[in-house]
Amino acid sequence: EAEVAQSPRYKITEKSQAVAFWCDPISGHATLYWYRQILGQGPELLVQFQDESVVDDSQLPKDRFSAERLKGVDSTLKIQPAELGDSAMYLCASSLLRVPTSGEQFFGPGTRLTVL
Amino acid sequence: SQQGEEDPQALSIQEGENATMNCSYKTSINNLQWYRQNSGRGLVHLILIRSNEREKHSGRLRVTLDTSKKSSSLLITASRAADTASYFCAASGYSTLTFGKGTMLLVSP
Repeated sequence: EAEVAQSPRYKITEKSQAVAFWCDPISGHATLYWYRQILGQGPELLVQFQDESVVDDSQLPKDRFSAERLKGVDSTLKIQPAELGDSAMYLCASSLLRVPTSGEQFFGPGTRLTVL
Repeated sequence: SQQGEEDPQALSIQEGENATMNCSYKTSINNLQWYRQNSGRGLVHLILIRSNEREKHSGRLRVTLDTSKKSSSLLITASRAADTASYFCAASGYSTLTFGKGTMLLVSP
């Protein structure tokens, strides 16, 4: 069964360092999402891609966060510099459907980030 | 900010009992979805109900939607220990999902 892949699964970093997360969506899925989930909360959307284009990055803290999906397949989310408040689970999801329809999203296992 | 709120925040039941979770949302939607998350893992899609539907069933799951009250409920019948997880509703607008804070369900053997 096809799955969304994410790496690393866990990342510990010090404040002010740079971190990067990678996501490989299910093959053929046009839409890719990055979410941040703070412990005890639901996921919050950071950025949405359709193919290689950003559809929605209104909640992405652009002073320190960046995301790209250069060839419309896999994607990278970067934080530079990391802050203590960035400690969270970072989830990637993909969907077969294209904007503006919204259907089932398939989630990866997530990357647990701890900033010391 | 999160659009939805689940109620209760936590629920503890015995195997075989039914579990009901409620969700409220704030804006108009295309559909509403429910997801399950086991501890420290990714989310798994459970069921989707469209805005023009009032009730939907899938196995032991029953979802209702009341768009006039902007609310939904998820019923899990004959619960099992394996149902222990957090459950999130997600309101679908244009093309994105807005999740609630979730209900933690504990099913004891």
